[in-house]
Amino acid sequence: KNEVEQSPQNLTAQEGEFITINCSYSVGISALHWLQQHPGGGIVSLFMLSSGKKKHGRLIATINIQEKHSSLHITASHPRDSAVYICAVRGPGGGADGLTFGKGTHLIIQP
Amino acid sequence: GAGVSQTPSNKVTEKGKYVELRCDPISGHTALYWYRQSLGQGPEFLIYFQGTGAADDSGLPNDRFFAVRPEGSVSTLKIQRTERGDSAVYLCASSSGTSRGELFFGEGSRLTVL
Repeated sequence: KNEVEQSPQNLTAQEGEFITINCSYSVGISALHWLQQHPGGGIVSLFMLSSGKKKHGRLIATINIQEKHSSLHITASHPRDSAVYICAVRGPGGGADGLTFGKGTHLIIQP
Repeated sequence: GAGVSQTPSNKVTEKGKYVELRCDPISGHTALYWYRQSLGQGPEFLIYFQGTGAADDSGLPNDRFFAVRPEGSVSTLKIQRTERGDSAVYLCASSSGTSRGELFFGEGSRLTVL
């Protein structure tokens, strides 16, 4: 079973700061997801990665398959970025494997 | 539909009662996942369907939990003899079923067992 660790668990930062959230996992995967969950809200998929780097607006996600590590970066952070960010990995069987989730990183961006 | 729809959004029940939670995935998505999220925790995998069949039900905590997807679209998660520890948000997600299929989540069904 894959062990997914996220750090930090909690992060409070000022508006405009560059944010990095880390995710490491123990077993080889077919894909890694970064998800965003607002308080009381549903989950939105931000990125799905199997290699390299993806960028969407102010969000950047990278993955290093050899090191079993991924990072989510937020540039020019804004209070509306405040949410729980969850890393989830899919096993090497691809769609046949359920996801394993990290516990999430609770991000607060203060104005 | 336009997105993954889950009903009910909130369910309050008494210990020992039977509960059904419904998930209507995005049209055409063959893969459907059920997850459970307790307060302050990340989601926990319960069961995965590919089409009508449960490809992986290893996450179901015990035999009180059962899920079906008889026609390969809508799925129902069934919980018998509910216990207070079953209280959680039950999340459903669907994808196109390939290893590159992006996941789309429903808003969840919040279950409270009194």
